[in-house]
Amino acid sequence: GAGVSQSPSNKVTEKGKDVELRCDPISGHTALYWYRQSLGQGLEFLIYFQGNSAPDKSGLPSDRFSAERTGGSVSTLTIQRTQQEDSAVYLCASSPPGVSYNEQFFGPGTRLTVL
Amino acid sequence: GQSLEQPSEVTAVEGAIVQINCTYQTSGFYGLSWYQQHDGGAPTFLSYNALDGLEETGRFSSFLSRSDSYGYLLLQELQMKDSASYFCAVRPDTGRRALTFGSGTRLQVQP
Repeated sequence: GAGVSQSPSNKVTEKGKDVELRCDPISGHTALYWYRQSLGQGLEFLIYFQGNSAPDKSGLPSDRFSAERTGGSVSTLTIQRTQQEDSAVYLCASSPPGVSYNEQFFGPGTRLTVL
Repeated sequence: GQSLEQPSEVTAVEGAIVQINCTYQTSGFYGLSWYQQHDGGAPTFLSYNALDGLEETGRFSSFLSRSDSYGYLLLQELQMKDSASYFCAVRPDTGRRALTFGSGTRLQVQP
């Protein structure tokens, strides 16, 4: 079946603009995660959804970052007033119910460049 | 806080065996996972250890010692396609679903 998809694959924006990144998880996966990865670095957790609620937002770096999930499916990560330090690859992952949460299925990511 | 240490780079030749180590310091522990990521690609799940010992999946094996806060990924019969970055990751506690990742080990397989 289809894997996790993300759009756009690449986004170039100017400092101060808002951006929206989209994630379509695998059908039936109730858990959804957003991470970001800077060049040559590990993955940094941003936010976790279970269904439409976000019980863990502890990784969001500032109030410029927000995310929502609707219908227990698609999620949107919004970054307002982008800064150059926001440049990174933003990865979305999902996992099915009833498992250990250690196996997460990742999308290809959105590469965000803030000029 | 949480931290995971793994070597930044490892080089090996085709057909050889390579071991990538990971040591962790976390406030809690609920499993050690390994992920593979090719350049420009998505991380893909390789293995998971919740208990001490060795887990084998084909050419890949993963080991965990909770008393030593240590694990490793063992790759056997290396192939060129194994050239990638490998990340260890932990779940600090059962209440937290997100993973904490190490900074990754870049494996270069040479002919």
